[in-house]
Amino acid sequence: GAGVSQSPSNKVTEKGKDVELRCDPISGHTALYWYRQSLGQGLEFLIYFQGNSAPDKSGLPSDRFSAERTGGSVSTLTIQRTQQEDSAVYLCASSLDASPNSYEQYFGPGTRLTVT
Amino acid sequence: AQKVTQAQTEISVVEKEDVTLDCVYETRDTTYYLFWYKQPPSGELVFLIRRNSFDEQNEISGRYSWNFQKSTSSFNFTITASQVVDSAVYFCALSERYSGAGSYQLTFGKGTKLSVIP
Repeated sequence: GAGVSQSPSNKVTEKGKDVELRCDPISGHTALYWYRQSLGQGLEFLIYFQGNSAPDKSGLPSDRFSAERTGGSVSTLTIQRTQQEDSAVYLCASSLDASPNSYEQYFGPGTRLTVT
Repeated sequence: AQKVTQAQTEISVVEKEDVTLDCVYETRDTTYYLFWYKQPPSGELVFLIRRNSFDEQNEISGRYSWNFQKSTSSFNFTITASQVVDSAVYFCALSERYSGAGSYQLTFGKGTKLSVIP
């Protein structure tokens, strides 16, 4: 079946602009995760959703970052007033349920964000 | 706090050589999960294995094998008879079971870039 998809694959934006990144999880997966991969920081957890709820927002780096999920499916990560340090690859993952003892996370191809 | 260390930043081997990728972790929980993911040049992370803290049996899958040792907090990954297609960045990751809502996040190591030379 189809894997996790993300769009756009690449996004170049000017400093100060807002951007929206989209994630389509695998059908039937109730848990959805966002991570950020950058050269200096490696892979960092940002936020996860169980259904449409986000019990853990601890990884969001600042209040410029927000995320939502609707219909238990598609999720959008929004970055307001982008800064150059936001440049990274944003990865989305989904799993059947948010239970690491049972279900592995499947990752999408990522969105490469470049802030100029 | 949980932490994963992959001390090897880059490794180069000649095809058919065996190679071991090291992973050392820190956690306060007694129940936790360890993972290895592969990230080929295409960029998509591919799940390789999950291990829970109560299962210390080593695992072999084809040319891949994993050595989990709680006594040294290590979860090392060995590729036998390496092939060019094994060239990728390999990430070790940890998830704790009982750290509240944050228990479902993966904490990744910095990754080890493996280059297999023909």
